Amino acid sequence: KNQVEQSPQSLIILEGKNCTLQCNYTVSPFSNLRWYKQDTGRGPVSLTIMTFSENTKSNGRYTATLDADTKQSSLHITASQLSDSASYICVVSGDTDKLIFGTGTRLQVFP
Amino acid sequence: EAQVTQNPRYLITVTGKKLTVTCSQNMNHEYMSWYRQDPGLGLRQIYYSMNVEVTDKGDVPEGYKVSRKEKRNFPLILESPSPNQTSLYFCASSLGSPGMGTEAFFGQGTRLTVV
Repeated sequence: KNQVEQSPQSLIILEGKNCTLQCNYTVSPFSNLRWYKQDTGRGPVSLTIMTFSENTKSNGRYTATLDADTKQSSLHITASQLSDSASYICVVSGDTDKLIFGTGTRLQVFP
Repeated sequence: EAQVTQNPRYLITVTGKKLTVTCSQNMNHEYMSWYRQDPGLGLRQIYYSMNVEVTDKGDVPEGYKVSRKEKRNFPLILESPSPNQTSLYFCASSLGSPGMGTEAFFGQGTRLTVV
């Protein structure tokens, strides 16, 4: 069964610290992997999209990595800010017309 | 400004009263889809459309209908809403299908409560 699992479920860090979120997937065949940021009650906003041939992609303080062999991805946030408080969702697409969503990691950044 | 617009943002209705949630995009995207988001669950796809007059079921289509008469609009119809359809709904659009790796843009969400 195609699945996307994220860890941890929730995370609390202090402003200015770095953190890494994990994503494991069992989607096969694999086409691309995306990370989205979702503020509470708002629509998800794309951070990065990676295909199997890309193993790292950055968007400002956000850096995503992909290991297509182990089917793992991570999202690293550098020098966190209060505005980084949100849910981060890992989304995988295979060769179908669908996106497969993880349940997200809820990040809270405190001053 | 490129955007996906959903209306209404909030809706409280009674069981059995037909309702429509509208979705419109101004990016000339071919692919549009509807999702629902419930606590503890990832977004689940309800219906999607590859182009005008082409729609297909997602993972949780029961109790919902859609239509795609124009490229920009993709309304979600609940013919007879029930309390288990209380959820946060998102419309999304992209230039191509997810397998093509094109970016998906999401609307602001519609919070529906069925009592």
